[in-house]
Amino acid sequence: EPEVTQTPSHQVTQMGQEVILRCVPISNHLYFYWYRQILGQKVEFLVSFYNNEISEKSEIFDDQFSVERPDGSNFTLKIRSTKLEDSAMYFCASLFGNAGTGELFFGEGSRLTVL
Amino acid sequence: RKEVEQDPGPFNVPEGATVAFNCTYSNSASQSFFWYRQDCRKEPKLLMSVYSSGNEDGRFTAQLNRASQYISLLIRDSKLSDSATYLCVVTTNAGKSTFGDGTTLTVKP
Repeated sequence: EPEVTQTPSHQVTQMGQEVILRCVPISNHLYFYWYRQILGQKVEFLVSFYNNEISEKSEIFDDQFSVERPDGSNFTLKIRSTKLEDSAMYFCASLFGNAGTGELFFGEGSRLTVL
Repeated sequence: RKEVEQDPGPFNVPEGATVAFNCTYSNSASQSFFWYRQDCRKEPKLLMSVYSSGNEDGRFTAQLNRASQYISLLIRDSKLSDSATYLCVVTTNAGKSTFGDGTTLTVKP
């Protein structure tokens, strides 16, 4: 069964460092997303990406965050200068078909710990 | 007011019990509705989509009331393996999905 894969599974970094989280969405999917979940809290939308550009982003997704699809298969989330409050599980998701009605397929997540 | 609001839980029920979860949403323009299941420290996985006509998948029944902006999930004959957090998810036309806080279910022997 095709799946969304994410790397790394866990990253520990120092405050102020840049972090890149990587995702390989399911190959025929057209919409890509990043969500985050702070431990014990809800899943929060960060950004959606379609046709090589951001289609929507939340207020969490400020100038410290960026996304890229550099080579047609990877989908990356970059955090330029990490803060303690960026510590969370980051989930990548992809979707085939209509963005408003389709099922989101999630990767297993990348746990980011900022010290 | 939260965009998506769920029963706070937790729900602790014996095996075989019937349990119902409720969810309300505030954006009347929301297009699609889902229940996801999340096991501890794992990714969310789709349990079922929710339609106005109601839909059933085995022991699970989901209902949507657009007029009341209300979604429900009913689990019959609950199993130990149903223990998880159940997430109500509301999606806009543009594909932005908003998750509720989740309701935790523990099924006990």
